[in-house]
Amino acid sequence: DAKTTQPTSMDCAEGRAANLPCNHSTISGNEYVYWYRQIHSQGPQYIIHGLKNNETNEMASLIITEDRKSSTLILPHATLRDTAVYYCIVREILTGGGNKLTFGTGTQLKVEL
Amino acid sequence: DGGITQSPKYLFRKEGQNVTLSCEQNLNHDAMYWYRQDPGQGLRLIYYSQIVNDFQKGDIAEGYSVSREKKESFPLTVTSAQKNPTAFYLCASSPQGQPQHFGDGTRLSIL
Repeated sequence: DAKTTQPTSMDCAEGRAANLPCNHSTISGNEYVYWYRQIHSQGPQYIIHGLKNNETNEMASLIITEDRKSSTLILPHATLRDTAVYYCIVREILTGGGNKLTFGTGTQLKVEL
Repeated sequence: DGGITQSPKYLFRKEGQNVTLSCEQNLNHDAMYWYRQDPGQGLRLIYYSQIVNDFQKGDIAEGYSVSREKKESFPLTVTSAQKNPTAFYLCASSPQGQPQHFGDGTRLSIL
């Protein structure tokens, strides 16, 4: 299993960019990096995923290093509602084509005024 | 609205009883998944199904059972053999090869 390493917690001022790092040094060439977040007592929310190239959507940007051993999730203008646990996951392909997401303990992001 | 519905949100059962958690999706997704989350921990995969009438064990299947008789439904039974069933249970679904989308979970407490 490809493992990920994330800081336990981070703080960010509201309106500033939140940059959440993730190390995945054992990632294989065809494995995607996924990011989810979870607000307390709710189901995880999908944010973004990528393979090699940088990706951007309405929620965030994902920067993957050229060697693919690490990535950074960027929330460009963090708000109080972005306070959550953020999970960086290397997706595994299951027998038959399904996805396996192995969630670690993630990064608790706290956005403050 | 399209989505994944888990019911009930909170469930209490006596020790030794089986209990079934419901998961329904109207997204026409082929794959469905069940996860368990313990306090302060990440999610762990219990069972998954990629097609009707077929399902596979995940990492922690012991003490659980599932069925997939319809595409939109994937109920999870927590049996009396599950030694520590109190947890937050999350259901997810996805088209094949696409991101999983989660329900809001069922919090199970054993009295």
